[in-house]
Amino acid sequence: GENVEQHPSTLSVQEGDSAVIKCTYSDSASNYFPWYKQELGKGPQLIIDIRSNVGEKKDQRIAVTLNKTAKHFSLHITETQPEDSAVYFCAASNPPGTYKYIFGTGTRLKVLA
Amino acid sequence: EADIYQTPRYLVIGTGKKITLECSQTMGHDKMYWYQQDPGMELHLIHYSYGVNSTEKGDLSSESTVSRIRTEHFPLTLESARPSHTSQYLCASRAGQREQFFGPGTRLTVL
Repeated sequence: GENVEQHPSTLSVQEGDSAVIKCTYSDSASNYFPWYKQELGKGPQLIIDIRSNVGEKKDQRIAVTLNKTAKHFSLHITETQPEDSAVYFCAASNPPGTYKYIFGTGTRLKVLA
Repeated sequence: EADIYQTPRYLVIGTGKKITLECSQTMGHDKMYWYQQDPGMELHLIHYSYGVNSTEKGDLSSESTVSRIRTEHFPLTLESARPSHTSQYLCASRAGQREQFFGPGTRLTVL
């Protein structure tokens, strides 16, 4: 079945630096890739997503890139701020059309002031 | 802001008790999901529903059961709680291919 690998599991950056989290999926038929941010004591919240017919999407300081050939997608956060500290999850729709996601294992991002 | 609610937020109970975790959404979403989240962060799908009277087991085997009698309500029940059931339980919903919204979660501790 589908598998989503996410790296790194923890990431510490200095405030103002960029952070990059990478995910690899196994099913080439997956066509939707959301990213979620989970703050302490809360449920995950969608921050950005990308569909398989697009290579890159940007929303202010957050961007996602997708390489369908290599089956990997990445989250880029620029000019990090302390409030970006959270756990981030990538996900892939699997199987396509079943309305289910396979989630990555999460990345704990810590932005150091 | 997502209109999806979970109660209780925290629950501490003894072994053998029957419990029901409530999940409700006011967005009219047809699809609803229950995830179990380990302390190590991973999200595992344990149940899902694509509409009223439709329920399916997820990728992670669970001793819990669910029901979907009304569109807005998707409760999860454990007939006899055990310490191995201690975890965080997250409910989610979505409409069609659109964004999946998560509730705030219920943190369950079974003594």
